[in-house]
Amino acid sequence: QSVLTQPPSASGTPGQRVTISCSGSSFNIGSQTVNWYQQLPGTAPKLLIYGNNQRPSGVPDRFSGSKFGTSASLAISGLQSEDEADYYCAAWDDSLNGRVFGGGTKVTVL
Amino acid sequence: EVQLVESGGGSVKPGGSLRLSCAASGFTFSGAWMSWVRQAPGKGLEWVGRIKSQTDGGTTDNAAPVKGRFTISRDDSKDTLYLHMNSLKTEDTAVYYCIREFYSFDYWGQGALVTVSS
Repeated sequence: QSVLTQPPSASGTPGQRVTISCSGSSFNIGSQTVNWYQQLPGTAPKLLIYGNNQRPSGVPDRFSGSKFGTSASLAISGLQSEDEADYYCAAWDDSLNGRVFGGGTKVTVL
Repeated sequence: EVQLVESGGGSVKPGGSLRLSCAASGFTFSGAWMSWVRQAPGKGLEWVGRIKSQTDGGTTDNAAPVKGRFTISRDDSKDTLYLHMNSLKTEDTAVYYCIREFYSFDYWGQGALVTVSS
């Protein structure tokens, strides 16, 4: 059971917008910044969004992050076939004194 | 270019020990906070622990499932991070990733597979 809750799957057709939610508590998302990671099949995860809504250099602006209260979300607009991957949210948890992850969301491009 | 290369993975029996190493390059290792994250086969990501830079105290934080069994250390003279794993359990079977931590996990190694089985 993950501390942060994500839907196990999401899907869309090419060009569509897909949104992934990440629900936490006042101990993590409510008081800390949220980061998102993308894991392509067979590869190591890669930082996608940091500081709730900042994109590292090289990440397309099709990816955007937001946070409101104890929840966060990742949006992929203009979905492309290469976006098929697992996506994880993460944050520091003050009560556990450690990093916590969501269970991951598998995005499928139909 | 930042590079993190893990080594030392392999198979071990329950109750055994193993040490993972992570060779870092492309950045000032001594000033970096470093973390370990693992991923069991077909499962999600799980934070294992971290070590702060010596400037920030060099202290460690570990996740509850590994506390008392795993120890994170660093050798700044060799730009190397270590994960010492003792009393290994079957549920510790996973790919272990070495990560540079800068407000987020901004660079990841390719991972080292640890298999704990009798």
